Amino acid sequence: DAGVIQSPRHEVTEMGQEVTLRCKPISGHDYLFWYRQTMMRGLELLIYFNNNVPIDDSGMPEDRFSAKMPNASFSTLKIQPSEPRDSAVYFCASSSRQVTEAFFGQGTRLTVV
Amino acid sequence: AQSVTQLGSHVSVSEGALVLLRCNYSSSVPPYLFWYVQYPNQGLQLLLKYTSAATLVKGINGFEAEFKKSETSFHLTKPSAHMSDAAEYFCAVKRSTNAGKSTFGDGTTLTVKP
Repeated sequence: DAGVIQSPRHEVTEMGQEVTLRCKPISGHDYLFWYRQTMMRGLELLIYFNNNVPIDDSGMPEDRFSAKMPNASFSTLKIQPSEPRDSAVYFCASSSRQVTEAFFGQGTRLTVV
Repeated sequence: AQSVTQLGSHVSVSEGALVLLRCNYSSSVPPYLFWYVQYPNQGLQLLLKYTSAATLVKGINGFEAEFKKSETSFHLTKPSAHMSDAAEYFCAVKRSTNAGKSTFGDGTTLTVKP
């Protein structure tokens, strides 16, 4: 398996624009997590899904953020409108009940100017 | 509820010296415990994990960790540091009764001096 695949790897956008980050989890994994990493706040869990259903979205900063998982092999994290303070590295990770650890993607570095 | 505390946000050692990164956890049920490593511009990758089998766990790159229930600790060690060990290290805890989310510590940046 190619691991967790995230796209794009880098994204630079202007304030106010919509940004969509994409993630393909490892095949067979039924948990998917979205994290945000910044120097100031460290690694934060934004939301996670089990069997494509959102289980806990308490980490989503505000209504500008939304996440979907339309099927077992794809998820998106959308920010609309984007703000400079959203600049961070966003990670997607997947796991399953049989595989206890999380497998992380390479991340998307988002810069909002 | 579960939480993780990593003591020391930055640790510096000389090449060849012992590496000790500290992690204490709290969990209301028997935990699963993990150490992850993050190299610059990369995602986190698993170093080792404890899932209620042997309390001394060996991982990749010569690292090991010991689960001590009485001390609620899961410290990471390596007898001899290499330059390539320079990275950020995260301790994480997950409830063994829930296959869902892990709670991560704030991370410890390891610097290895020549």
